[in-house]
Amino acid sequence: DQQVKQNSPSLSVQEGRISILNCDYTNSMFDYFLWYKKYPAEGPTFLISISSIKDKNEDGRFTVFLNKSAKHLSLHIVPSQPGDSAVYFCAASARAGGTSYGKLTFGQGTILTVHP
Amino acid sequence: NAGVMQNPRHLVRRRGQEARLRCSPMKGHSHVYWYRQLPEEGLKFMVYLQKENIIDESGMPKERFSAEFPKEGPSILRIQQVVRGDSAAYFCASSYRSPGNTGELFFGEGSRLTVL
Repeated sequence: DQQVKQNSPSLSVQEGRISILNCDYTNSMFDYFLWYKKYPAEGPTFLISISSIKDKNEDGRFTVFLNKSAKHLSLHIVPSQPGDSAVYFCAASARAGGTSYGKLTFGQGTILTVHP
Repeated sequence: NAGVMQNPRHLVRRRGQEARLRCSPMKGHSHVYWYRQLPEEGLKFMVYLQKENIIDESGMPKERFSAEFPKEGPSILRIQQVVRGDSAAYFCASSYRSPGNTGELFFGEGSRLTVL
């Protein structure tokens, strides 16, 4: 049962353009969402997060949008840079009323390639 | 400030042997999580520990797998009588706050287990 889905295994973008990575979830209990970036042979690195009480969060070149009614979130990277090439994981947690705040459900990941 | 340290980075075991993976959280972090990533998949939650306590082990296989986080020393993930299906990357993550935190986990670089 895949509760967090990233339906695009890969995305290729030209340097300077926008990268849009998408993520869908099915569990209505999820109330906190995160994006992680991962290089080969390294651990995931936190990028940006958003609480379900918001619909947008911005940090520099990275913006996450949340559409609760559609159970959909997206990560926008503008402008994209070759160093952004990595695997991007969407993750979600159900924090309200729970204790396992680090218990994240991850998507399968999207490989982003930014061409110079 | 050292990050999350995992060792060994690579471990090769024959079927039936035991594998022990170690994780030292970031300084000041008392919450440790173990995740497993099978080939071509996202990370899957296994277990959440605090010092001397298992808080949530809902993602741990019922047999052969165990985890501990003693008062002194690193957290250990132990896999007894390994089988080929245990071949995966095992990631440890730590955090220093629980209720109310942002959910950011700091991941180690992972331990890659290969079972021959």
